[in-house]
Amino acid sequence: AQTVTQSQPEMSVQEAETVTLSCTYDTSESDYYLFWYKQPPSRQMILVIRQEAYKQQNATENRFSVNFQKAAKSFSLKISDSQLGDAAMYFCAYRSWTGNTPLVFGKGTRLSVIA
Amino acid sequence: EAGVAQSPRYKIIEKRQSVAFWCNPISGHATLYWYQQILGQGPKLLIQFQNNGVVDDSQLPKDRFSAERLKGVDSTLKIQPAKLEDSAVYLCASSLSISYNEQFFGPGTRLTVL
Repeated sequence: AQTVTQSQPEMSVQEAETVTLSCTYDTSESDYYLFWYKQPPSRQMILVIRQEAYKQQNATENRFSVNFQKAAKSFSLKISDSQLGDAAMYFCAYRSWTGNTPLVFGKGTRLSVIA
Repeated sequence: EAGVAQSPRYKIIEKRQSVAFWCNPISGHATLYWYQQILGQGPKLLIQFQNNGVVDDSQLPKDRFSAERLKGVDSTLKIQPAKLEDSAVYLCASSLSISYNEQFFGPGTRLTVL
């Protein structure tokens, strides 16, 4: 079974600075998806960024980018120019390439942004 | 485009009582998921539907939890009787199809069992 580990329960960053959230995963599969979700206090899970394992190029979405190291099974999220609205819980998630499998989530990292 | 709707947003019940949660997925989304998120943890899948059929309910405590998706649209998740450890946020998500990789989440229902 796949597992996802987020080793940082809490992180903080100064507004306008850069922060990196860590995620490692365990799988025997070669094809899969990785995701970062943001969950603000409203509880709505919002997709931040997605990476297909077969793609070597790291995904980027505006201020959000990932460092995907497939051999190391590492998938970190970098947030540049942090904003107050970035404060939330961030969850790393794994999904198998085959269609009928659910997301497997890590325990999350709580990010605080300091003005 | 309307998002995934859930109700109620909050529910407080006594242990051994029953409770039901409702989810309306995004129009046209064939796949629907119910997740349980205990405080301090990531969401865990309870049950997955494809249209009105169950794809995966291996993590659903079937002695007390039940779910249905009549007509392949709305879904209801029921707990009967509730235990203290059922206190959690129940998230509903939907996706276009079983192979589509993006899931869209609703705002969740926070259940407190006293």
